[in-house]
Amino acid sequence: GNSVTQMEGPVTLSEEAFLTINCTYTATGYPSLFWYVQYPGEGLQLLLKATKADDKGSNKGFEATYRKETTSFHLEKGSVQVSDSAVYFCALEGQGGSEKLVFGKGMKLTVNP
Amino acid sequence: GAVVSQHPSWVICKSGTSVKIECRSLDFQATTMFWYRQFPKQSLMLMATSNEGSKATYEQGVEKDKFLINHASLTLSTLTVTSAHPEDSSFYICSARQVMFYEQYFGPGTRLTVT
Repeated sequence: GNSVTQMEGPVTLSEEAFLTINCTYTATGYPSLFWYVQYPGEGLQLLLKATKADDKGSNKGFEATYRKETTSFHLEKGSVQVSDSAVYFCALEGQGGSEKLVFGKGMKLTVNP
Repeated sequence: GAVVSQHPSWVICKSGTSVKIECRSLDFQATTMFWYRQFPKQSLMLMATSNEGSKATYEQGVEKDKFLINHASLTLSTLTVTSAHPEDSSFYICSARQVMFYEQYFGPGTRLTVT
């Protein structure tokens, strides 16, 4: 079945540091890939997505590229801010739009000033 | 816009009792709502998918008689954990999908502790 493996934390960075959160997946065909973010006390929010190979999703300075050859969707940000402190989840939806999301375990990021 | 609320945010109940968790879409109509369960340091696991006015579709391994889901209106779905046991203690999260839209909007979650 479909599965997602992502970096586990927690991770602590200083403000303006570079961030990479690795995410790899196992799925048949061409799934859609997502990064969700959960700020303290709030629900998960869609951060970015990519629906086909080589697509790049981007939002709020975060980027992730759908790499079919390496089955990866790594999240990057060049300069993190304190406000980026949150839990980040990588997820996929199977090809054909089944609407079922499969999540990674999530990674807690803390950014210190 | 697209806000989903859950109530309560935190509940403690005694073993053998039932507890109901509400999921509401506050500013949109949700034809489909999803219920997830999350254990500490684990992924969110989909429990069931509910469509307004019809029976919920449960994932394999989820006891439908234990986790009763009702989606009676386009803005409200409820999850009732019946005869709760300590192993049901977990974080329950709902999400809702708007009519004609693709994205799921998530609630903040409900922490259930069964003593």
